[in-house]
Amino acid sequence: KNEVEQSPQNLTAQEGEFITINCSYSVGISALHWLQQHPGGGIVSLFMLSSGKKKHGRLIATINIQEKHSSLHITASHPRDSAVYICAVGTSGSRLTFGEGTQLTVNP
Amino acid sequence: GAGVSQSPSNKVTEKGKDVELRCDPISGHTALYWYRQSLGQGLEFLIYFQGNSAPDKSGLPSDRFSAERTGGSVSTLTIQRTQQEDSAVYLCASSLGGQGAYEQDFGPGTRLTVT
Repeated sequence: KNEVEQSPQNLTAQEGEFITINCSYSVGISALHWLQQHPGGGIVSLFMLSSGKKKHGRLIATINIQEKHSSLHITASHPRDSAVYICAVGTSGSRLTFGEGTQLTVNP
Repeated sequence: GAGVSQSPSNKVTEKGKDVELRCDPISGHTALYWYRQSLGQGLEFLIYFQGNSAPDKSGLPSDRFSAERTGGSVSTLTIQRTQQEDSAVYLCASSLGGQGAYEQDFGPGTRLTVT
């Protein structure tokens, strides 16, 4: 079993739909990261959180430490949101452990 | 300001040759990470530098891989006697601090192809 599991692996939505991507982890963490990787390969950090909820524009990230679960929500999705979304956890050591990623496609 | 830069952006090399990949982190970032992403695979941790502390090399896949960080800034990842399975995108990231508890800024990556 991977230490970080994401679901779904692939997600196709219509423009305007509300999207949720889930991440579960099995280890104690210092922080959880959500990353976005566009088709060109560049990676952008979206959120880093260790408790509660954060919001940037149409993106919302939540984390439940007790349940070892985080969700990334996208409201009013747009084709430009199409990308791979990656959950990663930082542990007491130095490394990040990554989920396999969720491929999101938003159709116009 | 300037982000994390990596060079070269693409590298094609013959099996058995050595390669050096370079990373310039954001100025003032004390932590520097190297990751690898093989085709169709997830991100894989390779090595981590934090200030003057000994690097965490626990992710390096073999002793053909090594990395150094000079003066707490620029880092080079060296792969000796490259193999075809080394073909991947090598990503560098830096952050204000370590322990995975700070947002990381990623470079554009170096795409390595071993023929």
